[in-house]
Amino acid sequence: QVQLVESGGGVVQPGGSLRLSCAASGFNFNTSAMHWVRQAPGKGLEWVAFIRDDGGDKYSADSVKGRLTISRDNSKNTLDLQMNSLRVEDTAVYFCAKEVLRKGYFDLWGRGTLVTVSS
Amino acid sequence: SYVLTQPPSVSVAPGQTARITCEGNDIGSKSVHWYQQKPGQAPVLVVYVDSDRPSGIPERFSGSKSGNTATLTISRVEAGDEADYYCQVWDRGSGHHVFGTGTKVTVL
Repeated sequence: QVQLVESGGGVVQPGGSLRLSCAASGFNFNTSAMHWVRQAPGKGLEWVAFIRDDGGDKYSADSVKGRLTISRDNSKNTLDLQMNSLRVEDTAVYFCAKEVLRKGYFDLWGRGTLVTVSS
Repeated sequence: SYVLTQPPSVSVAPGQTARITCEGNDIGSKSVHWYQQKPGQAPVLVVYVDSDRPSGIPERFSGSKSGNTATLTISRVEAGDEADYYCQVWDRGSGHHVFGTGTKVTVL
């Protein structure tokens, strides 16, 4: 079954850390660029980070640069997002998404995992 | 940073046509993609590379682009089309992906 399943969300205090994971199945994960996209409650979609299929190239949004780090393990078909120095404004549902090979759009999304940053 | 602007809302009667615009500087040089998102669900790709449609998406959904504006058109609107719609591009200069501000389509 072709799917992405996120996990690791929860409640964390400001300044804290959390690690999200996304398990991929049903497609060639090791030839797919992957992304994290988030959505704050009641707000629109915000692109967070990208990682190339081999992990050799990464980009992240200015709003998270230096705090949220994307990584992948192609041997385990998993995508991760290490979240440090969390802020209240990082509260959101975090989706992982698969990019169609070098085409710039996302054809497969997970259902998302909720991260709440609150004291 | 690159910005894509959409109208916050569009209302349309069943059977009529909904048009959702997406404005961005030099958008003509970029490929525009569109997503539909229903409450509590993940986004679904409905149009890619300006005007192509993924398999399984009804022909009622179409995309176009002119000047600095891309448009998603939903013909013969149905109640099930009620959702939020987002445009998206890749900004080559920054390497970043950008989503539009989103449009809520209400079927009257």
